[in-house]
Amino acid sequence: EAGVAQSPRYKIIEKRQSVAFWCNPISGHATLYWYQQILGQGPKLLIQFQNNGVVDDSQLPKDRFSAERLKGVDSTLKIQPAKLEDSAVYLCASSKGLAGADTQYFGPGTRLTVL
Amino acid sequence: DAKTTQPPSMDCAEGRAANLPCNHSTISGNEYVYWYRQIHSQGPQYIIHGLKNNETNEMASLIITEDRKSSTLILPHATLRDTAVYYCIVRELTGNQFYFGTGTSLTVIP
Repeated sequence: EAGVAQSPRYKIIEKRQSVAFWCNPISGHATLYWYQQILGQGPKLLIQFQNNGVVDDSQLPKDRFSAERLKGVDSTLKIQPAKLEDSAVYLCASSKGLAGADTQYFGPGTRLTVL
Repeated sequence: DAKTTQPPSMDCAEGRAANLPCNHSTISGNEYVYWYRQIHSQGPQYIIHGLKNNETNEMASLIITEDRKSSTLILPHATLRDTAVYYCIVRELTGNQFYFGTGTSLTVIP
């Protein structure tokens, strides 16, 4: 089966600009996650969707970050305006459901550099 | 916050078994132990998970102590392609989040 797709793979912007990332999860996966991974650290969850509803966005900096999954399939994560500290890899993952035994499958990530 | 403790780095000779330890002394009865790895410039890759019993799949074996306060991931015959950061994660049965720590950077040496 096809894996989690993300685009673009790399993005370089200047601070205060806007940027958007796209994710297409594995077909049939109800749950979609966005993670931020700063260099040298493990991934940190930003937001979690089940179908088109938000399950957890407690770690999302809502003053500048937004995400949507309108049709319950693919998703977009946006940063507006970007700050230097937003430089990181943004990972998308999906799983079949929410149960604790459900495995998350990750995409390759989008590496964002904010200058 | 991550509920696990792992050594920051380890080396292993190619062809030998790599044993990666993880402490999760505060684990509760309904929490699973997951292992993921992340090869440079790629997303994390699922390896294995377990609750109480030892588990084995085509990639690795997971040994969980009887008190469940620690576990060991075993790569039976390490290859150069196993060089990666390995994350040990505990997750509630009904929970959502994976809390990744900083993991163990495993280097397989020729």
